[in-house]
Amino acid sequence: DAGITQSPRHKVTETGTPVTLRCHQTENHRYMYWYRQDPGHGLRLIHYSYGVKDTDKGEVSDGYSVSRSKTEDFLLTLESATSSQTSVYFCAISEGTEAFFGQGTRLTVV
Amino acid sequence: RKEVEQDPGPFNVPEGATVAFNCTYSNSASQSFFWYRQDCRKEPKLLMSVYSSGNEDGRFTAQLNRASQYISLLIRDSKLSDSATYLCVVNNGGGGNKLTFGTGTQLKVEL
Repeated sequence: DAGITQSPRHKVTETGTPVTLRCHQTENHRYMYWYRQDPGHGLRLIHYSYGVKDTDKGEVSDGYSVSRSKTEDFLLTLESATSSQTSVYFCAISEGTEAFFGQGTRLTVV
Repeated sequence: RKEVEQDPGPFNVPEGATVAFNCTYSNSASQSFFWYRQDCRKEPKLLMSVYSSGNEDGRFTAQLNRASQYISLLIRDSKLSDSATYLCVVNNGGGGNKLTFGTGTQLKVEL
């Protein structure tokens, strides 16, 4: 299995609080992604990175920000969590073709 | 229109059956194609890449038709352990190497 670790694996937070999810890789892959998965929508891209400090928005980026200060870490921040951000979040890495996923973070905003 | 479309199923088939899933994509510039498998509450895992010439991996065969923008996955001799959701995935290339996922087709293999 690809060396991808997401933390935390589960989190419950209150509306309006900031939340940061971490993705750590040991594969030295160039590309890193954050997806969210919701029933009926499948996996939707939030943000992605194509190198250190190089990031861009995906299709559902509103309310989220990211940072990548080193190759191995890609952080996803919810500045002020809302109930609509309750979801399962997956990090993925790629070296140019297929992607490999972390185990996911189940986030509940109450 | 969604970029990648799949029949959500579920497909309920008996053990030993042959089942086929289809997927269409809208971006004619798409460069690479994959099938992923996702078990309940787990992360998606790469099942196989899809090539224009078609490719086979054991009981699984994938086909790509670029002219029709259509991808298929055939599973022969279905096993109970094949029960999962199968995701069609398209890589549109470009600077971000972005992967776009279909919503998945659910397969249930029954005794």
